[in-house]
Amino acid sequence: GQNIDQPTEMTATEGAIVQINCTYQTSGFNGLFWYQQHAGEAPTFLSYNVLDGLEEKGRFSSFLSRSKGYSYLLLKELQMKDSASYLCAARNTGGFKTIFGAGTRLFVKA
Amino acid sequence: DSGVTQTPKHLITATGQRVTLRCSPRSGDLSVYWYQQSLDQGLQFLIHYYNGEERAKGNILERFSAQQFPDLHSELNLSSLELGDSALYFCASSLRQDTGELFFGEGSRLTVL
Repeated sequence: GQNIDQPTEMTATEGAIVQINCTYQTSGFNGLFWYQQHAGEAPTFLSYNVLDGLEEKGRFSSFLSRSKGYSYLLLKELQMKDSASYLCAARNTGGFKTIFGAGTRLFVKA
Repeated sequence: DSGVTQTPKHLITATGQRVTLRCSPRSGDLSVYWYQQSLDQGLQFLIHYYNGEERAKGNILERFSAQQFPDLHSELNLSSLELGDSALYFCASSLRQDTGELFFGEGSRLTVL
């Protein structure tokens, strides 16, 4: 089966850096995704890791360790608009299932 | 705009009724996924179709069914509706089933009274 764990909520200050962790277990692994979702809206794609290491895209970076079943999303220079839920998702081998964690609700305060 | 179109955007119905939600994937995408998101909950995987064939099922109730048509659009049918079925139903598409990200539609918000 597949299981994904991430913290329920986090709070950070505008301009700071925050790291959101995710651990996963899958029956076969074929990629780890991070999505951003504002309340009542569609999830939007942030990053994708399939190999170990760090992927950087502007203010957002994502890291993957396949051997540890671990990923994190790093958000730099936080802005108020970054207040949202961040969803970690793992795709299994063959791509038949992409399972999402419950999401981490990030609150950015001034 | 992700290119994935879902209709209707909002739907209010009564318990015991049946509804159909429709999804048109991005042009050229062969995979369609359906997810359910209840209030303040995560995305629950329901079902995945690839090029007209069912590829995987998640926690989909027997009262729910889906299909993907030759033109690649998909429909999710929900029957004998219960109050607990009230949720946002998202459709997502991807070019292939084993690579690339999922692109989500805006969702269909179902309210069962």
